[in-house]
Amino acid sequence: DTGVSQDPRHKITKRGQNVTFRCDPISEHNRLYWYRQTLGQGPEFLTYFQNEAQLEKSRLLSDRFSAERPKGSFSTLEIQRTEQGDSAMYLCASSFRLHEEFFGPGTRLTVL
Amino acid sequence: AQKITQTQPGMFVQEKEAVTLDCTYDTSDPSYGLFWYKQPSSGEMIFLIYQGSYDQQNATEGRYSLNFQKARKSANLVISASQLGDSAMYFCAMREGGTASKLTFGTGTRLQVTL
Repeated sequence: DTGVSQDPRHKITKRGQNVTFRCDPISEHNRLYWYRQTLGQGPEFLTYFQNEAQLEKSRLLSDRFSAERPKGSFSTLEIQRTEQGDSAMYLCASSFRLHEEFFGPGTRLTVL
Repeated sequence: AQKITQTQPGMFVQEKEAVTLDCTYDTSDPSYGLFWYKQPSSGEMIFLIYQGSYDQQNATEGRYSLNFQKARKSANLVISASQLGDSAMYFCAMREGGTASKLTFGTGTRLQVTL
C-alpha cells in the first residue's frame, strides 16, 4: 500500500496522560499536514511541514501539542497532559504538488 | 465570515440520478484552489477533484465534475449516475495563495443514495 499511513488507528487514554501519533506520508511527498476533526465538523488545520521544517502552526496547537518530522519522512504528533476536549480524529495528509493533498485513515483519540 | 460554506447538511438522491452539492467560498486572494473530498463512514478523506482559480475549464474526474462559477464564488460538485457507494460525507475545501498553505474545510454535506 503506497498511501498515507497512520498509527495507531484508535487510542483510548485517561485524562492527563501523554499520547503520540505517527504518520508515514507517501514516499516522494515533501509536504506533510496534520488536521483535527471533531464530530460533525470538517477537518481543522493544526500544522504543516515542508521536508523537516515546520512552516506553519495553527493557534489551535496549544503548548501541549508538539509535532516533529525529524528527517523529512515520517512525522509524530504528541499531546501532553491530554484533556477530554482533545478527543477527536487526527488526520495526516501529504502532498508533492499544490493541486493535491492525500489523507491517511486517521487516528481516533478518546480521552476518558 | 466563513471561508467555505456548505449550506446543505444532508441530501438524498436516487440511484442513477445526478446530484449537485453546493459550495461557496470567500477569499480576496486571486490565486486559490478548490478541492472536494469524500469521507465514508470509515473516516478516511478521499480526494475527488480539484479546480484552480485560473483554470479556464471546469474540472472533471470520471463521474465527478466541478461547476466553477468564479464571479459567484461557487464551486459546486456534480455527481452523475449516483451509486449506493456514493453515500458519504462530502467536504469542500480551499487553499489560498500560490503556496502550499493549509486547506480550509466547510462543514460538509451528508449524501444518501437510495434505491
